[in-house]
Amino acid sequence: ETGVTQTPRHLVMGMTNKKSLKCEQHLGHNAMYWYKQSAKKPLELMFVYSLEERVENNSVPSRFSPECPNSSHLFLHLHTLQPEDSALYLCASSPWTGLSYEQYFGPGTRLTVT
Amino acid sequence: AQRVTQPEKLLSVFKGAPVELKCNYSYSGSPELFWYVQYSRQRLQLLLRHISRESIKGFTADLNKGETSFHLKKPFAQEEDSAMYYCALYREYGNKLVFGAGTILRVKS
Repeated sequence: ETGVTQTPRHLVMGMTNKKSLKCEQHLGHNAMYWYKQSAKKPLELMFVYSLEERVENNSVPSRFSPECPNSSHLFLHLHTLQPEDSALYLCASSPWTGLSYEQYFGPGTRLTVT
Repeated sequence: AQRVTQPEKLLSVFKGAPVELKCNYSYSGSPELFWYVQYSRQRLQLLLRHISRESIKGFTADLNKGETSFHLKKPFAQEEDSAMYYCALYREYGNKLVFGAGTILRVKS
């Protein structure tokens, strides 16, 4: 599959579980992003990575831990989540700069915390 | 601080009626603005950007620096235009998009 892919597409986890979300991009981009989309706040930027280095962390609780091992892969490690963390988690990628700047989004992982 | 405001959470129009989705921004530099769209059960995708000055699916958006606005317009709405629309401002520092809260467009038959 081309573009930005995310796995799993759906995830149900208990508050004591540990799980990881995975994002992969095949576009040759060197910046990747995690967003949270919920009914309360439609689109919240969580993390920004450039060339595998975290450049922004928008005051996200430590129960969310990102990892970017290379420019094509991005993970979001989850542990001891709360029910209010239930949301759609979107991954995106982009070139770092340039006139053709555009963010390409994945389909999202629908997370339910029970 | 950079900010994008979409004052309408929901806009409901009849098929064939004109559509205007409002977007206002605050930014001290020269802005680069985008409209993204999310159709039901589809991923968020770019609709258009102001520097391209193009019309996509009949939609246009003009940057008005005096009013700091970038409203999205279409003269005749179609049912397939029903979706969530986000206005976004590119922020070079941090290489990120600042999104508005989004507007749900519902086109009724």
